[in-house]
Amino acid sequence: QSVLTQPPSVSGAPGQRVTISCTGSSSNIGAGYDVHWYQQLPGTAPNLLIYGNSNRPSGVPDRFSGSKSGTSASLAITGLQTEDEADYYCQSYDSSLSGWVFGGGTKLTVL
Amino acid sequence: EVQLVESGGGLVQPGGSLRLSCAASGFTFNNYAMTWVRQAPGKGLEWVSGLSGGGRNTYYADSVKGRFTISRDNSKNTLYLQMNSLRAEDTAVYYCARFHGGNLQQYHFDYWGQGILVTASS
Repeated sequence: QSVLTQPPSVSGAPGQRVTISCTGSSSNIGAGYDVHWYQQLPGTAPNLLIYGNSNRPSGVPDRFSGSKSGTSASLAITGLQTEDEADYYCQSYDSSLSGWVFGGGTKLTVL
Repeated sequence: EVQLVESGGGLVQPGGSLRLSCAASGFTFNNYAMTWVRQAPGKGLEWVSGLSGGGRNTYYADSVKGRFTISRDNSKNTLYLQMNSLRAEDTAVYYCARFHGGNLQQYHFDYWGQGILVTASS
């Protein structure tokens, strides 16, 4: 059971928009700690996608965006492309655990 | 270009020990906190341990506290993870990653190694 809760899977057709939610609690996201997102393509290491709730590292397309409100955060992907098929993870810090925590991951399928 | 290359993985019997290494290049190593993250087969990511840039402050997940020890040699630009009393549930790909952020609680992982497989099995 992950500290941060994500839907196991989402799907969308090419060109569509999808969102992935990340729900936490008062000891992590709700405590004001930033949320970060990672993309893991099949068979590869994770790659930083969004940091500080809504910031994109250089090289990440602006089709990817992040937001945070209360005890939850969301990753939005617009103009879906087949190469976006991957697992997506949210991450934050948890004060009760005194450590960094991940969501369980969401598998994105582009139909 | 930032590069992180893990080594030292392999098959070990439950109860055994293994030491992972992560060779870093392309940045000023001692300026950055570093961390280990693992991923069991078919499962999600789990943060394991972290270490400040100077090596003074260490952080561990409850699942490995007392069994794993993180360390670094800044003269060799290398991060280590000594894993003792290994259990079947420690079987995973272990990633070395660079911590980045304004303060501890806002840290994220901005660069990752390719990962190394550790299998604890008889």
